[in-house]
Amino acid sequence: TQLLEQSPQFLSIQEGENLTVYCNSSSVFSSLQWYRQEPGEGPVLLVTVVTGGEVKKLKRLTFQFGDARKDSSLHITAAQPGDTGLYLCAGASEQRGSTVRGSEKLVFGKGMKLTVNP
Amino acid sequence: EADIYQTPRYLVIGTGKKITLECSQTMGHDKMYWYQQDPGMELHLIHYSYGVNSTEKGDLSSESTVSRIRTEHFPLTLESARPSHTSQYLCASSVIRGGEAFFGQGTRLTVV
Repeated sequence: TQLLEQSPQFLSIQEGENLTVYCNSSSVFSSLQWYRQEPGEGPVLLVTVVTGGEVKKLKRLTFQFGDARKDSSLHITAAQPGDTGLYLCAGASEQRGSTVRGSEKLVFGKGMKLTVNP
Repeated sequence: EADIYQTPRYLVIGTGKKITLECSQTMGHDKMYWYQQDPGMELHLIHYSYGVNSTEKGDLSSESTVSRIRTEHFPLTLESARPSHTSQYLCASSVIRGGEAFFGQGTRLTVV
């Protein structure tokens, strides 16, 4: 089973601070996604990165995919209370030995619970 | 906005009852998934499907079963519910390539 380790697992910060979340694995992924989940709801996709070294920006959020496609980071600038939630990374990789077309399985990390205090 | 729906949103049932959690998507996605998640915790993959008549077990062992008779429908069934089945169940779908998943709002199951 491929594992995705996220750190930190919990973070409580004040409004206006910056933060970085890390997602690491020993496995190579064809793509990696970041999701945000609010209590009582399903995760919502924030971004997908597919190319090693790729950097994507979404307003105050910056996502980076490692050169070897084994790790990723999410940096939030000037955090706001609305950023509070569970941030999950997920990796897609082909299943070894599978002959099924598109046999990618999506594996999730444990998530990082972020609280931004006013 | 994703077009994937789960019913019911909340369910409280007694031990030993048979239940079916419904999941439907109107996006024509071939791949569908069921995840189990305790509040604020990680998602555990329990079942997935590549398309009609295809079902696979996920990484977390589950006593539930699934079926995929139609592309848009991926129900999950528990033959005899137990308190240990209490959790949130999330259904998701995606295109074959790329892996980006669209999630339903989830079913919060409580077995008493």
